[in-house]
Amino acid sequence: DAGITQSPRHKVTETGTPVTLRCHQTENHRYMYWYRQDPGHGLRLIHYSYGVKDTDKGEVSDGYSVSRSKTEDFLLTLESATSSQTSVYFCASGGQGYTGELFFGEGSRLTVL
Amino acid sequence: KNEVEQSPQNLTAQEGEFITINCSYSVGISALHWLQQHPGGGIVSLFMLSSGKKKHGRLIATINIQEKHSSLHITASHPRDSAVYICAAEILIQGAQKLVFGQGTRLTINP
Repeated sequence: DAGITQSPRHKVTETGTPVTLRCHQTENHRYMYWYRQDPGHGLRLIHYSYGVKDTDKGEVSDGYSVSRSKTEDFLLTLESATSSQTSVYFCASGGQGYTGELFFGEGSRLTVL
Repeated sequence: KNEVEQSPQNLTAQEGEFITINCSYSVGISALHWLQQHPGGGIVSLFMLSSGKKKHGRLIATINIQEKHSSLHITASHPRDSAVYICAAEILIQGAQKLVFGQGTRLTINP
């Protein structure tokens, strides 16, 4: 059973529309992350959270916002999607101080036309 | 320069060969993870290390904290080991843990 799930798994949208991706974990992890993965760039951190309502920016945060109103959910919002945000998005979670295994979502493939 | 560097970026080998993938980091870390991603697939955690060595089946991961270096070894490699292998370091920044990823090593094992 997956401890972390993402939705939607696939989405096609038009430039300028808002998009929200959801990450849901059932492991009671404090830390959660959003990454994007693009050919030639590997995994790049967008935003991360170290607790409810505690979030911080990653290396590619422009054009993205996040919210974490409860431990299990971490939302990523593209306020006005652009073609450069076409990517595969992964969320991840791990325990406090990462004393254990990392869990990754299955990935969300977003296409912005 | 990325805080976490992997080498090689691409590796092709024949079935049965012993494989080594390296990961170096430039700052203090609290733990290091090795991850596996098959083509078109999700990301799976293989190991979490803070010291020493761990073994799971044909996979062995080692870390040398003083040298800021970790290695992932695969013994008796098999075509199903073909995947991208990623190391990720837990770095403490301003009181919060942050994961920093290497660029990944694309491994291809030919039969």
